[in-house]
Amino acid sequence: GESVGLHLPTLSVQEGDNSIINCAYSNSASDYFIWYKQESGKGPQFIIDIRSNMDKRQGQRVTVLLNKTVKHLSLQIAATQPGDSAVYFCAALNDYKLSFGAGTTVTVRA
Amino acid sequence: DAGVIQSPRHEVTEMGQEVTLRCKPISGHDYLFWYRQTMMRGLELLIYFNNNVPIDDSGMPEDRFSAKMPNASFSTLKIQPSEPRDSAVYFCASSPSHNEQFFGPGTRLTVL
Repeated sequence: GESVGLHLPTLSVQEGDNSIINCAYSNSASDYFIWYKQESGKGPQFIIDIRSNMDKRQGQRVTVLLNKTVKHLSLQIAATQPGDSAVYFCAALNDYKLSFGAGTTVTVRA
Repeated sequence: DAGVIQSPRHEVTEMGQEVTLRCKPISGHDYLFWYRQTMMRGLELLIYFNNNVPIDDSGMPEDRFSAKMPNASFSTLKIQPSEPRDSAVYFCASSPSHNEQFFGPGTRLTVL
């Protein structure tokens, strides 16, 4: 199976600063990873994904880094905005199933 | 596209009652997933379907839970009889493949 965990349950960041959310996974056979954002009262929303044959992928204001050697994944959000306040989950695909981490709650201070 | 549609959005019921949650996946998506989210256990996969066929139900907690997908545009998750510990938010998600999954808004279930 797969176990996915986040390093910090909460993160407080000043508006305009960069945010970094970290995640660790246990199964080296996991080959696909996704970051989701969940706002209060809503379902998880896809942010960005990365396959195991890559170590970095960039989207709009977001970058995902994958270190397969230490089984670590991170999400970087540039110039954090109030609308980025949410719970962020990493998920790893293994055996055709996604396993989700516990989530990091990001709070953006004005 | 309206995205994944779930109903009801909120359900309050009494212990012992039957509960049916409904999901309409995104048109054209061959995979449908049911998840349960609680503070204690996070997001847990209960069951998933491929082309309306249940593929993996190892996450279904016990026989009180059952899921069906009679056609490509509709799925149900039924709990009978319901118990207070079933209180959670239940999400349905669909996907065109095994990868990116699109989640619905969820059904918040409270069993008294």
